[in-house]
Amino acid sequence: GAGVSQTPSNKVTEKGKYVELRCDPISGHTALYWYRQSLGQGPEFLIYFQGTGAADDSGLPNDRFFAVRPEGSVSTLKIQRTERGDSAVYLCASSLSGPLSSYNEQFFGPGTRLTVL
Amino acid sequence: EDQVTQSPEALRLQEGESSSLNCSYTVSGLRGLFWYRQDPGKGPEFLFTLYSAGEEKEKERLKATLTKKESFLHITAPKPEDSATYLCAVVGGYQKVTFGIGTKLQVIP
Repeated sequence: GAGVSQTPSNKVTEKGKYVELRCDPISGHTALYWYRQSLGQGPEFLIYFQGTGAADDSGLPNDRFFAVRPEGSVSTLKIQRTERGDSAVYLCASSLSGPLSSYNEQFFGPGTRLTVL
Repeated sequence: EDQVTQSPEALRLQEGESSSLNCSYTVSGLRGLFWYRQDPGKGPEFLFTLYSAGEEKEKERLKATLTKKESFLHITAPKPEDSATYLCAVVGGYQKVTFGIGTKLQVIP
């Protein structure tokens, strides 16, 4: 299993609750991305990590969303006080190096489907 | 702001009927244009990266081409298993990845 993995595959929560979504990238990939995809839309960029640091978090919709990658490998996307509008598929991707490099093709995980009731 | 427009939104082909999908883009300093295939309930699967105008890449029945304003994904003699949503994305000088909404392809046997 050398691909990107995400857990859980499905998450159902109630409005106002806190959720954590996990991403395990391909070993050796320094860049990690989070996207959100709504039905019938393309993936929407949320945040990009290069190593342990967030190189670009401009896609996070508000301060309820936060992501970490403390050891430069596994990443966790955290959503506080969830709202019904947060319901979507959250995709994680990794690449060998950053988006401006020559090895920037991204490999995606299967996604976590988040439903906020 | 980088923009990606894909057309058509949906395409229905008979098996063996070749066609092309379009991806038009505006980006500040293109660093790469990507094509992905996405099956229902799954994450996007990488197909191609194109870096400069005039570049072409092929894989089985798929061929991707790039100009300064658009990219085409040509599908030759498609089979039902080619049915999927095809996504185009660009990376510009600001290193943000911008996706289009995709073209949903259905190939009828």
